[in-house]
Amino acid sequence: QVTLKESGPALVKPTQTLTLTCTFSGFSLSTSDMRVSWIRQPPGKALEWLARIDWDGDKFYSTSLKTRLTISRDTSKNQVVLTMTNMDPVDTATYYCARTTYYYGSESYYYWFDPWGQGTLVTVSS
Amino acid sequence: DIQMAQSPSSLSASVGDRVTITCRASQSISNYLNWYQQKPGKAPKVLIYAASSLQSGVPSRFSGSGSGTDFTLTISSLQPEDFATYYCQQNYRTPWTFGQGTKVEIK
Repeated sequence: QVTLKESGPALVKPTQTLTLTCTFSGFSLSTSDMRVSWIRQPPGKALEWLARIDWDGDKFYSTSLKTRLTISRDTSKNQVVLTMTNMDPVDTATYYCARTTYYYGSESYYYWFDPWGQGTLVTVSS
Repeated sequence: DIQMAQSPSSLSASVGDRVTITCRASQSISNYLNWYQQKPGKAPKVLIYAASSLQSGVPSRFSGSGSGTDFTLTISSLQPEDFATYYCQQNYRTPWTFGQGTKVEIK
């Protein structure tokens, strides 16, 4: 059974750096074709994909946030860490991590998020 | 970035109704389109991947169609547990992007 769980501070001050950890079980990020993504959702608003890290160390970022984001992994601990610098109140959101599952068909790879963690609410306020 | 636009933003429907939600991409994404369902206070759950493939365990009343820029999610007979918000998401190219969501409410 695959599970993921996010952890980190519930409250950060403006300009601070946020560090979130995704701890997962049921798969290894050192196994070929495994990937983990971070997604966030401000209260009452839509989902926003933030970043992805792959089994081979490749990393991908949101265009609008890439200067502020760093994603990394600790395969020995089954963890993926997301840091976001210079936090602002508009970054208040529930942050989710999710395994990025894939299907190979018709000579193409299709990706989706499944399963997701329960999410962790981060509030940015002084 | 590829922009995803859903319509309508919200709709009211009754149990047993057929419901259709539309998603349009700002450029062709072939069939690299997923649909998710999200209930209040819960993480999203995937319903459809590759535009029309039903995720294991998802009821057959859910179906997806489309290719290129225009896609639809159809619920053939709305059930009480289907009242939720639905999101489309493209995986054609990173950065992956979501639609703004469609909230399905009880009429």
